Amino acid sequence: DIQLTQSPSSLSASVGDRITIACRASQSISIYLNWYQQKPGKAPKLLIYAASSLQSGVPSRFSGSGSATDFTLTINSLQPEDFATYYCQQTYNTPPTFGQGTKLAIK
Amino acid sequence: QVHLVESGGGVVQPGKSLRLSCAASGFTFSSYSMHWVRQAPGKGLEWVALTSYDGTHKYYADSVKGRFTVSRDNSKNTLYLQMNSLRSEDTAVYYCATLRAGPADCWGQGTLVTVSS
Repeated sequence: DIQLTQSPSSLSASVGDRITIACRASQSISIYLNWYQQKPGKAPKLLIYAASSLQSGVPSRFSGSGSATDFTLTINSLQPEDFATYYCQQTYNTPPTFGQGTKLAIK
Repeated sequence: QVHLVESGGGVVQPGKSLRLSCAASGFTFSSYSMHWVRQAPGKGLEWVALTSYDGTHKYYADSVKGRFTVSRDNSKNTLYLQMNSLRSEDTAVYYCATLRAGPADCWGQGTLVTVSS
């Protein structure tokens, strides 16, 4: 199975900040990498697919980049509603594994 | 609008069985592979099982292989997860999902399964 390692596991930031979350795959997965946001008690919500494509309806302050084994999720100008847990996920092969998550908290 | 609704969760004793259902609407269910993903309390997301669009191909996480069975009834637009020999570590919210990159990605609201004596 392909392992995904996110860093950091948690971070604190303020409204208006720019943050980045990294996701490293244990082998090359081309651009088959998605990013999800999850808020407490809710199902995950797709933000970015195919490494850098913005899901419809997702604000443009979210962006993704990377290929092969190294990927990044960037959030510009953090808004109060962005404080949540973020997961990367690969769909290069089965099983479609998830990273361990990054919890973004308000500083 | 793509919509998934899980049901069937509850409290069950270790070693017992439970069957989850996921009702789909708003898309051509019979054309999509479907997944079950779970999340233990306070933990991350764990993929559980996958069935191909026609039910002929099925895959399972090692943690549930031999105990869980995924199936579907395309005539009823419904996905199932039969869970046998339940363990305390199976306690989680179970989501059905399309896991389709792009507009067709959809998750249900989740159903809680608690395995406890």
